[in-house]
Formats: sequence, structure tokens, C-alpha cells
Amino acid sequence: NAGVTQTPKFQVLKTGQSMTLQCAQDMNHEYMSWYRQDPGMGLRLIHYSVGAGITDQGEVPNGYNVSRSTTEDFPLRLLSAAPSQTSVYFCASTTYGTGPDEQFFGPGTRLTVL
Amino acid sequence: AQKITQTQPGMFVQEKEAVTLDCTYDTSDQSYGLFWYKQPSSGEMIFLIYQGSYDEQNATEGRYSLNFQKARKSANLVISASQLGDSAMYFCAMRDSRSDMRFGAGTRLTVKP
Repeated sequence: NAGVTQTPKFQVLKTGQSMTLQCAQDMNHEYMSWYRQDPGMGLRLIHYSVGAGITDQGEVPNGYNVSRSTTEDFPLRLLSAAPSQTSVYFCASTTYGTGPDEQFFGPGTRLTVL
Repeated sequence: AQKITQTQPGMFVQEKEAVTLDCTYDTSDQSYGLFWYKQPSSGEMIFLIYQGSYDEQNATEGRYSLNFQKARKSANLVISASQLGDSAMYFCAMRDSRSDMRFGAGTRLTVKP
């Protein structure tokens, strides 16, 4: 049982480049989300999805796109990277609702934009 | 709007003593869930404990307990008998009817030998 997987683990981009952070889960969770964590700060929600074909914006969506074509995959796209997007990115998944099901996190992707 | 507040950027505790990490939240929903996560220096997010808004008893998981005061909208984490391995960042989080989970800014706990 792999849980939540993210690739790559580390990435360096130049300003203006685009890339996709991959996220996959094998727990059949409806809900998936992307967070960014900046030094000394908590996790801020970028985008989330409550099921295949459904996505919504979180607190800091600007500069990022997502899609959810399958239950398993939830890629995050940076269209034109900026130094302000240097951060650690976490993907997470859980069952839908306010119940006790914990949110499972991937190991994170450390992104540096030069 | 959802808001999670952790007012203690850093806390120190002596090994084997208990420590309380504060968390207050704001939501207009009646149904919500409160979570605590631990993030050690290695970076992974580790789930510790959950409290539902309708739960009458405070949640407990081993050395972790949650002091839930619904009227005050607080959900403080209590760690008993602190160990050196408890040194980490601790995050409070909440999910309500919006479904997305929001996090506080975190508290860095340092356990002194």
C-alpha cells in the first residue's frame, strides 16, 4: 500500500519555466488537495478536489492549475514559475466529510525557483 | 471564513513534563472536525489526534489528549510525559462543511533533557 506518492522530491526551475508536480493515491479517497509550506509557516491550501472532475480554489491558488481526471491522480501545474513559488509542496488525500478520517500526506516536493 | 490560530510560535518543556499547545478556531458550521499533526525535522506530516464537534468526550491517543472547549472554540493539545522525540512542529487543523482542511501557523516544541 503506497499511500500518497509525490514526484519529484526536489526540483529547481528558472523563472518563467513551467512544470507539473505529480500526486497519486491508492486508497480510493474522494478528496485530494495541494498545500504549500513556506519556512516558519503552516500549510496553506492551494487547490483541492472532492472527486474526479471537480476542483476548487483554496487560499493561495494564483499561479497554479489543477485537474482531476481520475480518482487516483491530482497533478499541480505551475504555468510560469516565479521565485515567490519557492516552497515545499504537499499533496494530501482523505475521505470526504468532517469525520475522523485523517488526511494522509505525501512526502513533499521541495521546489526552488531561481 | 475558516480560521485557525496558534498563538505560540515556540514552546519549551522539560523532558517528562506535560505541555499544552494552544489552538483556537473560527467557523460558523455546527459540524466540523479538529486535527493535530506533528512535523518532525524530517518534514513528513504525522497525524496525532482527532476531535469531532459533536464528541462529548475529549479525544485521547496514548500520551496525546485534546482539551476541547466548544463554547470557547479552542482545541488545545496536551502532551503528557514529554520525550526528546516530541521535539517538532505541531499544527492544528480543521475541516468543516467546506471540506477543505485549513491549518494554523504551527508551534515549534522543544523538549529539553
